[in-house]
Amino acid sequence: GEDVEQSLFLSVREGDSSVINCTYTDSSSTYLYWYKQEPGAGLQLLTYIFSNMDMKQDQRLTVLLNKKDKHLSLRIADTQTGDSAIYFCAESRGTNAGKSTFGDGTTLTVKP
Amino acid sequence: KAGVTQSPRYLFKTRGQQVTLSCSPISGHRSVSWYQQTPGQGLQFLFEYFSETQRNKGNFPGRFSGRQFSNSRSEMNVSTLELGDSALYLCASSSLDGEKLFFGSGTQLSVL
Repeated sequence: GEDVEQSLFLSVREGDSSVINCTYTDSSSTYLYWYKQEPGAGLQLLTYIFSNMDMKQDQRLTVLLNKKDKHLSLRIADTQTGDSAIYFCAESRGTNAGKSTFGDGTTLTVKP
Repeated sequence: KAGVTQSPRYLFKTRGQQVTLSCSPISGHRSVSWYQQTPGQGLQFLFEYFSETQRNKGNFPGRFSGRQFSNSRSEMNVSTLELGDSALYLCASSSLDGEKLFFGSGTQLSVL
């Protein structure tokens, strides 16, 4: 079945760039997503990319997609302490985000 | 526009009891999905409802059920609770184009 994998932890210094990586197995994935979860909260959609794109930029966030290698990354520029959270990669097929497959999440710690 | 709202925020039950969780989607959204989040299993898809019909179902036992009403509000029911059902239950509604998912803050269920 579908599988999404991420590294579990990442620690960076405030002001540095953070890069969170994700791999997925489903070649039928249509949309790839990045979500952020803060303690005690639900998931917040940060950005997403259609599978026929290879890059998307949204303010401090840059998403890179290598469809051949089924590799997705999220770069956060000028990382702030408020960016400390768990980041989830997810994929869905077709226009049905309702049934998405999620990775286990990467805990990002930003040190001052 | 109000976000996805879930109630209650916390639930404490004992083994063998049943529980009902409620979710109101973003106004105008017709698709509601439910996910279970645990430290060991991560985010697991439970089911998705669209226009009062179950559109997709995950790999959970029949003790987990749901329904959707004509106003798109949804409920999830778990019968004969087990200790392993302790989790954060997240509800999400999909945008009309099906591309984006918006989560509520979740219901934290503790089975004692």
